[in-house]
Amino acid sequence: GAVVSQHPSRVICKSGTSVKIECRSLDFQATTMFWYRQFPKQSLMLMATSNEGSKATYEQGVEKDKFLINHASLTLSTLTVTSAHPEDSSFYICSASRLAGVTDTQYFGPGTRLTVL
Amino acid sequence: GEDVEQSLFLSVREGDSSVINCTYTDSSSTYLYWYKQEPGAGLQLLTYIFSNMDMKQDQRLTVLLNKKDKHLSLRIADTQTGDSAIYFCAARLDKLIFGTGTLLAVQP
Repeated sequence: GAVVSQHPSRVICKSGTSVKIECRSLDFQATTMFWYRQFPKQSLMLMATSNEGSKATYEQGVEKDKFLINHASLTLSTLTVTSAHPEDSSFYICSASRLAGVTDTQYFGPGTRLTVL
Repeated sequence: GEDVEQSLFLSVREGDSSVINCTYTDSSSTYLYWYKQEPGAGLQLLTYIFSNMDMKQDQRLTVLLNKKDKHLSLRIADTQTGDSAIYFCAARLDKLIFGTGTLLAVQP
């Protein structure tokens, strides 16, 4: 149990286009999903916290108009990178929060590699 | 804010034990986690420990927590080549704060 999927796994796009990444919890309902960004050989940086049916909470320094997050259901959150530029190239990872015992634990998707040309 | 640090690299021989260390700064962290990341993949939750525990064992994995020194370790017994990956510790406050990651290389 606790499987999280992401689609697509890899995307290459031209500068100026928008890219949508989907994150799904396959076998559980997640009231909270998280979006992270990981640069090569670096740790994960939290971009935003997404709660179903409400606006996402963005971390300091993350542009909410550039990284649009929609959490339309308890099993789906989407991240749209608008007007992508080469500096947006990165590995984007989502996670979904699930109650396990006395704590809610985050389960991570396999990640999406975005390359902007 | 919370700062989580790890050594960058560890190399061991197959069959030996591996010990990956992690330090954190905020003593109010409630849970501490260990995740494994293989190349080009997401993070796999390995185990977690509550802050009022000293030790947790799960098959080949042993987590030790020294709350006084804010030090967390992950011991992998009988390390296999399939254990080669990057290991992240994470501390839980209102959100997860990840360490810098330790690359574990297992030599056959």
